[in-house]
Amino acid sequence: NAGVTQTPKFRILKIGQSMTLQCTQDMNHNYMYWYRQDPGMGLKLIYYSVGAGITDKGEVPNGYNVSRSTTEDFPLRLELAAPSQTSVYFCASSQPDATNEKLFFGSGTQLSVL
Amino acid sequence: LAKTTQPISMDSYEGQEVNITCSHNNIATNDYITWYQQFPSQGPRFIIQGYKTKVTNEVASLFIPADRKSSTLSLPRVSLSDTAVYYCLVGDMRRGSTLGRLYFGRGTQLTVWP
Repeated sequence: NAGVTQTPKFRILKIGQSMTLQCTQDMNHNYMYWYRQDPGMGLKLIYYSVGAGITDKGEVPNGYNVSRSTTEDFPLRLELAAPSQTSVYFCASSQPDATNEKLFFGSGTQLSVL
Repeated sequence: LAKTTQPISMDSYEGQEVNITCSHNNIATNDYITWYQQFPSQGPRFIIQGYKTKVTNEVASLFIPADRKSSTLSLPRVSLSDTAVYYCLVGDMRRGSTLGRLYFGRGTQLTVWP
């Protein structure tokens, strides 16, 4: 099992450019999440999905969009990149049940907007 | 979700036992306590989870007093590879009820020296 795979690992964007961060998981998890982590800080939830075709906003959704056409994939789209979006982005997945949820994270995408 | 308070940083030497305490005064009856570990340039990784008393796995032990207002993550005989950020999370994460809204905070940076 590869777990949660994110691409690319690093990316530099110019202000106003757009890009898509890819995330795929092979654990057949229904729940998927996108977080951002600024230097020295904790993680903040951007968007989440509870299944294919269902997405919703987290704490900091402005400037981002997501889609969930399959169980495996949950891409994050940045439109009109801004310096404030410079951060490390983590995708995670889980399969909640009656016991407490355990999140599985990808290795992250480090994004710089200059 | 209950917020948590942890030390910003801790130092230890190889072979020592490390105890990281987390304060969570507003923990609710159905909340569980979960610890994640994050290495540089990687996503957080689940370590251990508990509700009360003591939980032990192959990696760590978690001690929770009767009032559950704090918890202590214990790492036995640490090595250089245990250098990481450790996050304490509190919440009722059954059936995915948090929808990803987990308070990671800044965590505790543990540095292990030779």
